[in-house]
Amino acid sequence: DIVMTQSPDSLAVSLGERATINCKSSQSVLYSSNNKNYLVWYQHKPGQPPKLLIYWASTRESGVPDRFSGSGSGTDFTLTISGLQAEDVAVYYCQQHYSAPLTFGGGTKVEIK
Amino acid sequence: QVQLVQSGSELKKPGASVKVSCKASGYTFTRHAINWVRQAPGQGPEWMGWINTNTGNPTYAQDFTRRFVFSLDTSVSTAYLQISSLKAEDTAVYYCARGQEIAVEIFDSWGQGTLVTVSS
Repeated sequence: DIVMTQSPDSLAVSLGERATINCKSSQSVLYSSNNKNYLVWYQHKPGQPPKLLIYWASTRESGVPDRFSGSGSGTDFTLTISGLQAEDVAVYYCQQHYSAPLTFGGGTKVEIK
Repeated sequence: QVQLVQSGSELKKPGASVKVSCKASGYTFTRHAINWVRQAPGQGPEWMGWINTNTGNPTYAQDFTRRFVFSLDTSVSTAYLQISSLKAEDTAVYYCARGQEIAVEIFDSWGQGTLVTVSS
């Protein structure tokens, strides 16, 4: 199984500042035949279902604010929230779908400082 | 708009069975796979598998091959998860999640979750 490791476990960021979340996979999730990274980011707010933010490592889902961006390739990925808003308080998860079983990172909790 | 509405919380005794439903609306049910994801207390999500809503063919993750069954009733756009011989460690929130049309493993809409508690 591909192990997804997120860091940090939690971070507190001031409103308007940048939040950076890292995700590392135990093996590459870059599919060479189509040059796509099989890496997804979700946002999970308390009492709500998870929400798709980013797929193919850097493609923003329709309706997701452009302050959310994804980057990285191979085994190392980053989710950046540029200009944290109060409504961004949540747990963020990365997930690989390169190979079964699909696996998630342990999550990063983002709070307001 | 796309909605997945799941059945309510369940409290079950060890050894019992439970069936969780996931009713879809706002799109053509048979054009998107339904995945099932488990989240135990304090843990990250765990993918259980998916069901092809066009053929009814299920695919289970290795840890979910023995007591777990995915099924459909396409006449009411509903997917089901049945768990038999419940154990305390099955206590978790269970989510259904719709796969994208071209990538079934990218979950673009989720149900609200169903808490299953297994306790004597």
